[in-house]
Amino acid sequence: EVQLVESGGGLVKTGGSLRLSCAASGFTFVTYTMNWVRQAPGKGLEWLSSISGSSTYIYYADSVKGRFTISRDNAKNSLYLQMTSLGAEDTAIYYCARDALNFNWGFDSWGQGTLVTVSS
Amino acid sequence: DIQLTQSPSSLSASVGDRVTITCRASQTISSYLNWYQQKPGKAPERLIYAASNLQSGVPLRFSGSGSGTDFTLTISSLLPEDFATYYCQQSYSTPRTFGQGTKVEIK
Repeated sequence: EVQLVESGGGLVKTGGSLRLSCAASGFTFVTYTMNWVRQAPGKGLEWLSSISGSSTYIYYADSVKGRFTISRDNAKNSLYLQMTSLGAEDTAIYYCARDALNFNWGFDSWGQGTLVTVSS
Repeated sequence: DIQLTQSPSSLSASVGDRVTITCRASQTISSYLNWYQQKPGKAPERLIYAASNLQSGVPLRFSGSGSGTDFTLTISSLLPEDFATYYCQQSYSTPRTFGQGTKVEIK
């Protein structure tokens, strides 16, 4: 069974940093491109970043480019999101999501999410 | 970036109703359109991929259609467990944008 479990969320001050983790199990992690998606309170879904299996291809949304860094450790079956210069607009639930093997088929598995609250 | 516009943003329907949600892309995306269902307090789940392919385990009352710029998600006969928010997402290009969501509520 595919499992994605996020951790690392919490309360952080404006301008601060936080590192999110996503522990993957139940599949061959290195085979899959992974993503981070967030959802602000009461709002829709926003794709943030993706990283290919070998970390060769990395992409970011403009809203987080230069502030967030995605990475992965295939030996540990883990995905990470390093977030810096956090502002109130970054308050959201952060989900990790697995790309389907066919890139064009969307995200076929999601974690339960971890809440990040940015406050002064 | 490709923009996706869903309509309506919300709707009220009764159990047994046929429900149709549309998603329009700002440029052609072939058939690279996916649909997700999200229930309150839960993570999204993929319902349909590549416009019309049903995710394994998803009931047959759900269907998707369309190509190019116009897409549709249809629930043929609404059940209580279908009350949720539905999102479309394009996987034609990065950033893989989502529509703003359609909330399906009980009438």
